[in-house]
Amino acid sequence: DIVMTQSPDSLAVSLGERATINCKSSQSLLYSSNSKNYLAWYQQKLGQPPKLLIYWASTRESGVPDRFSGSGSGTDFTLTITSLQAEDVAVYYCQQYYTTPWTFGQGTKVEIK
Amino acid sequence: EVQLVESGGGLVQPGRSLRLSCASSGFIVSDNYLSWVRQAPGKGLEWVSLIYSDGSTDYADPVKGRFIISRDNSKNTLYLQMNSLRAEDTAVYYCARAGLTVAVWRDWGQGTLVTVSS
Repeated sequence: DIVMTQSPDSLAVSLGERATINCKSSQSLLYSSNSKNYLAWYQQKLGQPPKLLIYWASTRESGVPDRFSGSGSGTDFTLTITSLQAEDVAVYYCQQYYTTPWTFGQGTKVEIK
Repeated sequence: EVQLVESGGGLVQPGRSLRLSCASSGFIVSDNYLSWVRQAPGKGLEWVSLIYSDGSTDYADPVKGRFIISRDNSKNTLYLQMNSLRAEDTAVYYCARAGLTVAVWRDWGQGTLVTVSS
């Protein structure tokens, strides 16, 4: 199974500041035939189901604010929230869809400092 | 509008069975990849099972041989038959619809809680 490891487990960021979440996979998520990274990011607010933010490592889902961005390739990926807003308080998960079983990182909790 | 509504959760004793349902609207279940994803209390997300549009299925190792995913096209509903339940199966179970590819989940239900305890 591909193991997904996020860092940090939690972070507190001031309103308007940048939040950066890292995700590392135990094997490459880059599929050579199409040069795509099979990595998605989800946001889960308290008491709610997850919400898809990013797929193909850097493609923003429709309706997701542009302060959310994804980057990285191969085994190392980053979710960046520029100018953190109060409504961004949530747990964020990375997920690989390169191969079954599809696996998630353990989650990163983002709070307001 | 896409809607997914889970039901069937509850308290069940270890070793017993439970069937979850996911009533869907706004899309045709047989044309989509549908999954069950669970979340133990206070824990992260775990993919459980998938049914492909062609009806083939896939399972995570912890549930293989115990859980069965299926769908009723006439009712536009997804199911998860859970047998030989264990304490570690305690979780909120979400049904989710994939968009784009088989395992990028765009639409989620609100979840149903399954508690396995004596």
